[in-house]
Amino acid sequence: NAGVTQTPKFRVLKTGQSMTLLCAQDMNHEYMYWYRQDPGMGLRLIHYSVGEGTTAKGEVPDGYNVSRLKKQNFLLGLESAAPSQTSVYFCASSYNTNLATEQFFGPGTRLTVL
Amino acid sequence: AQKVTQAQTEISVVEKEDVTLDCVYETRDTTYYLFWYKQPPSGELVFLIRRNSFDEQNEISGRYSWNFQKSTSSFNFTITASQVVDSAVYFCALSENTNAGKSTFGDGTTLTVKP
Repeated sequence: NAGVTQTPKFRVLKTGQSMTLLCAQDMNHEYMYWYRQDPGMGLRLIHYSVGEGTTAKGEVPDGYNVSRLKKQNFLLGLESAAPSQTSVYFCASSYNTNLATEQFFGPGTRLTVL
Repeated sequence: AQKVTQAQTEISVVEKEDVTLDCVYETRDTTYYLFWYKQPPSGELVFLIRRNSFDEQNEISGRYSWNFQKSTSSFNFTITASQVVDSAVYFCALSENTNAGKSTFGDGTTLTVKP
């Protein structure tokens, strides 16, 4: 199993450009999450999905959109990138949101917005 | 106040030293879970352990041990005889019913183990 994969690994954008980050998991997990990691701020939840066709806002959703058209994929979109969105983005998945369930993380995407 | 506080931003030790990473949490739920994750330089977070709110028994796994104390709302992580490969960022996380089971992460502690 590949687990959770993310593409691309690195990206540089100019302010105002758009892009989509792709997350894929092959563990048949119901739940998927997008986080951003900034220095000294830990992981902050952007959006999440509790199943195919569903999405919900997390802690810092502004400026991002997501889609979960297929169970195995969770896309994160930036419509008009801003320098404040420079960050490392992590995708994660879990079997369910039972309190005891751990999350499985992808390798991250390092995004720089100039 | 933060729900999960990892007051130690960075810790540096010399190989073979013991080191304890602190985690203090805040919740009103009676049922909750606590987790530790490791983020090595490669970047990917890896699950280490979970502990539920009804089980205060300490756990040991090789050089790793965890001390959960409800009285002080703490879930500390100790590495005995640290090794260079232990160098990573360590995250403590809380999962509670009032947050629909989603995890809240602390800001992480960067551990550097020098040879």
